[in-house]
Amino acid sequence: SQQGEEDPQALSIQEGENATMNCSYKTSINNLQWYRQNSGRGLVHLILIRSNEREKHSGRLRVTLDTSKKSSSLLITASRAADTASYFCATDQDTGRRALTFGSGTRLQVQP
Amino acid sequence: GAGVSQSPSNKVTEKGKDVELRCDPISGHTALYWYRQSLGQGLEFLIYFQGNSAPDKSGLPSDRFSAERTGGSVSTLTIQRTQQEDSAVYLCASSRTRAGNTIYFGEGSWLTVV
Repeated sequence: SQQGEEDPQALSIQEGENATMNCSYKTSINNLQWYRQNSGRGLVHLILIRSNEREKHSGRLRVTLDTSKKSSSLLITASRAADTASYFCATDQDTGRRALTFGSGTRLQVQP
Repeated sequence: GAGVSQSPSNKVTEKGKDVELRCDPISGHTALYWYRQSLGQGLEFLIYFQGNSAPDKSGLPSDRFSAERTGGSVSTLTIQRTQQEDSAVYLCASSRTRAGNTIYFGEGSWLTVV
């Protein structure tokens, strides 16, 4: 299985609700990043959390990192229809590959 | 340029033909990456260039795939004797230094092999 697997694969919520997506990984990391993708095209960076950080905020986004469990979560608060997209976690592994390793993503649908 | 530029945006080719996909990274970015994404799937790492170092080719799926980066800037991904399973979006990204920093993606090249 892949380094960086998101859970759930798909999520459908109503506007105004919070959306939580989880990511698990296998090897030790330097940092973990979350990206957003609209319509299967280019990805946009959302937030980066380093291995020595436990929580980070950016606007309506909150990311947590638990290196003991090798997992991260992305929380989007007060979701909007415009948040509808796919969300990917990506890990910068401590050893081995020098490029980011992406998970399979969570497809978020926010109903207006 | 202002962002990562990829061309063509869309390419339809016949099985067995060769294709070239081009990526123009953000000016000054020394790291360049190619990923592949099949419909509804995650990103599959293909190849990574960092400055003048030997590229990390560990993700290339077969010897039909190759990539080069000329002058530390523009990169070309070449797929020889295309197969239907090569149909996917090919995404290029660049970053200021090696991975660990934010990487910036182009809009991708959608390849359809018929």
